[in-house]
Amino acid sequence: QQQVKQSPQSLIVQKGGIPIINCAYENTAFDYFPWYQQFPGKGPALLIAIRPDVSEKKEGRFTISFNKSAKQFSLHIMDSQPGDSATYFCAASVGSNFGNEKLTFGTGTRLTIIP
Amino acid sequence: EPEVTQTPSHQVTQMGQEVILRCVPISNHLYFYWYRQILGQKVEFLVSFYNNEISEKSEIFDDQFSVERPDGSNFTLKIRSTKLEDSAMYFCASSDPGHTGNTIYFGEGSWLTVV
Repeated sequence: QQQVKQSPQSLIVQKGGIPIINCAYENTAFDYFPWYQQFPGKGPALLIAIRPDVSEKKEGRFTISFNKSAKQFSLHIMDSQPGDSATYFCAASVGSNFGNEKLTFGTGTRLTIIP
Repeated sequence: EPEVTQTPSHQVTQMGQEVILRCVPISNHLYFYWYRQILGQKVEFLVSFYNNEISEKSEIFDDQFSVERPDGSNFTLKIRSTKLEDSAMYFCASSDPGHTGNTIYFGEGSWLTVV
C-alpha cells in the first residue's frame, strides 16, 4: 500500500514533443506528490509538486495533472528539449506532518529527448 | 544556491568493515535524511532525523545502521559491518519546512561499493 507505481520505465521523444510520465498510488493518506529530476551522477532535484486539493499545476514547461479519484498523477513536459534528458521520479508522502518527509519514490522513468 | 554536500563521493570497502558517510546539510535546515539508491533501482528512504534524534526509520535501517549529528554542521551515516547488498548510492538530504515547505534538498550522493 506504500508503493508508488510509475510508467513507462523508459521513454524516447523527439525534441518539441510532450513526454508524459504516469504514476499511481494506493495509500490515500498521501497528500504531497513531488516530481524529481535526476541527472547521471547527481542527486534528485525537486522539479514540481502538487497537493491533492488541485487537479493541475504548471511551472514553466512542466505540468502535473492529478486525479484524486483514480489515485493517479502525471508529469507532462511541454516543448521538450535535449537538456530535459534525465531520469524522472514521482514520489509521495504524508506531508501534513510538516517537516518529516518520508518520500516514497516511484521506480523512475529514463527520458531521452532526441534532436 | 545553498547545497547539501557529501563526502566521500565514492568509497570502496571490504565486506564486514565499518563505513562512515558524511554530510553537511544546508545551513539552518532542521530536518535531515538519508536515502539510498541501489544501481538501477528507485530511491529508498532510510531515516529522518530531527532535534538530535531519529524521527522515523524504514525497515532497511536495521541495527547495523546509525546516524549522528556530532556537531552543528555534520550529519553522518555509519554502517557497522558492511554487506555486499549495502552497495548503493547514499543520498543525504535536508529540509526546512518553515521556509521551503515540503521541499527536500538532496546532495550528490556517496557511492558505496562493498567487495
